[in-house]
Amino acid sequence: GEDVEQSLFLSVREGDSSVINCTYTDSSSTYLYWYKQEPGAGLQLLTYIFSNMDMKQDQRLTVLLNKKDKHLSLRIADTQTGDSAIYFCAERTSDYKLSFGAGTTVTVRA
Amino acid sequence: DTAVSQTPKYLVTQMGNDKSIKCEQNLGHDTMYWYKQDSKKFLKIMFSYNNKELIINETVPNRFSPKSPDKAHLNLHINSLELGDSAVYFCASSPPQAVYGYTFGSGTRLTVV
Repeated sequence: GEDVEQSLFLSVREGDSSVINCTYTDSSSTYLYWYKQEPGAGLQLLTYIFSNMDMKQDQRLTVLLNKKDKHLSLRIADTQTGDSAIYFCAERTSDYKLSFGAGTTVTVRA
Repeated sequence: DTAVSQTPKYLVTQMGNDKSIKCEQNLGHDTMYWYKQDSKKFLKIMFSYNNKELIINETVPNRFSPKSPDKAHLNLHINSLELGDSAVYFCASSPPQAVYGYTFGSGTRLTVV
């Protein structure tokens, strides 16, 4: 979307770390989210971070938030073939609206 | 068992037809949404309903009419279908607490020929 920007593609070797970056525009966003979409499927919530946090770790996933620069990143450690998917960054811009980025297609190669 | 279910999963229809997509959630959420995902995977909100009331209508043509008979259901009716309506339509729901993201259905792939 116009308010959330992501790079479109990322190729990574199996076992390496993946880092997906996102920038957003609404400084009043309270929560920011990462969703995963596998082919032919809906969006699955991976993780979220509250805007007063800098970092959140959840198993292989690490979310970093730089609120000053409005920059969000998702790091996937030890990337596996099952991590190949489209990853969407989203910001909650109101009580009733999530605005999504265009999605980053992650391809994991052997 | 499915939390947010949409039917049909696939819909192929001719230009000018009228069609409906149904959505049901069994999560007890108060808010439901329709999103459109275009061929470039870009997701854009269309409508948001809270307890059966329309909250957001994002500059969607009035050929699209959502209906929420109760807070567990949000259907989408589309009149006079056009080629540009071809997309994947996702239904989603969320609870009142802001921390929880949305739960999405698996999508309805609409192809207008």
